[in-house]
Amino acid sequence: GNSVTQMEGPVTLSEEAFLTINCTYTATGYPSLFWYVQYPGEGLQLLLKATKADDKGSNKGFEATYRKETTSFHLEKGSVQVSDSAVYFCALSEGNNNDMRFGAGTRLTVKP
Amino acid sequence: DTGVSQDPRHKITKRGQNVTFRCDPISEHNRLYWYRQTLGQGPEFLTYFQNEAQLEKSRLLSDRFSAERPKGSFSTLEIQRTEQGDSAMYLCASSLNGQVDYGYTFGSGTRLTVV
Repeated sequence: GNSVTQMEGPVTLSEEAFLTINCTYTATGYPSLFWYVQYPGEGLQLLLKATKADDKGSNKGFEATYRKETTSFHLEKGSVQVSDSAVYFCALSEGNNNDMRFGAGTRLTVKP
Repeated sequence: DTGVSQDPRHKITKRGQNVTFRCDPISEHNRLYWYRQTLGQGPEFLTYFQNEAQLEKSRLLSDRFSAERPKGSFSTLEIQRTEQGDSAMYLCASSLNGQVDYGYTFGSGTRLTVV
């Protein structure tokens, strides 16, 4: 079945450091890929998405490229801020968007 | 529209009691999903509705769990005879049928603690 594997955390970075959170997926077809972010005490928020191979999703300085050849969707940001501290979830959805599968989440802490 | 609302935010119950949670989705969204999230894990799919029809249920949804969406608007998730293993965050999300590009919109969740 479909699944998502993302790098374990926690990840601790200093402000302005470069961020990479790895995500790989297994799917039977051609899924859409997502990154969600969860701030403390809040629900999940869609951060970015890509619906086909080679698409790049971007938002708030974060980027991820849908790589079909490596079945990956790594999240990157060139310069993190303290306000980026949160848990990040990679997810996929196949077909008619009726069952989104999530990775276990990666907790990011950015220190000033 | 204020997004997806869940009520209550927190619920503490004694083992063996029944609990019911409510979710109000975005009004124009015809799909509604329930997920469960335990500490340190990603959300796990429980069930989803398209309008009032419950179209899929996960194996995680034991016989003690029941979900309804009677008029295709709000939904309730009931857990009967709660067990300590039911302690988790219960998340509701909604979407428009086929609108994959927009992902799901999640509520803030209901945190259940069974003591």
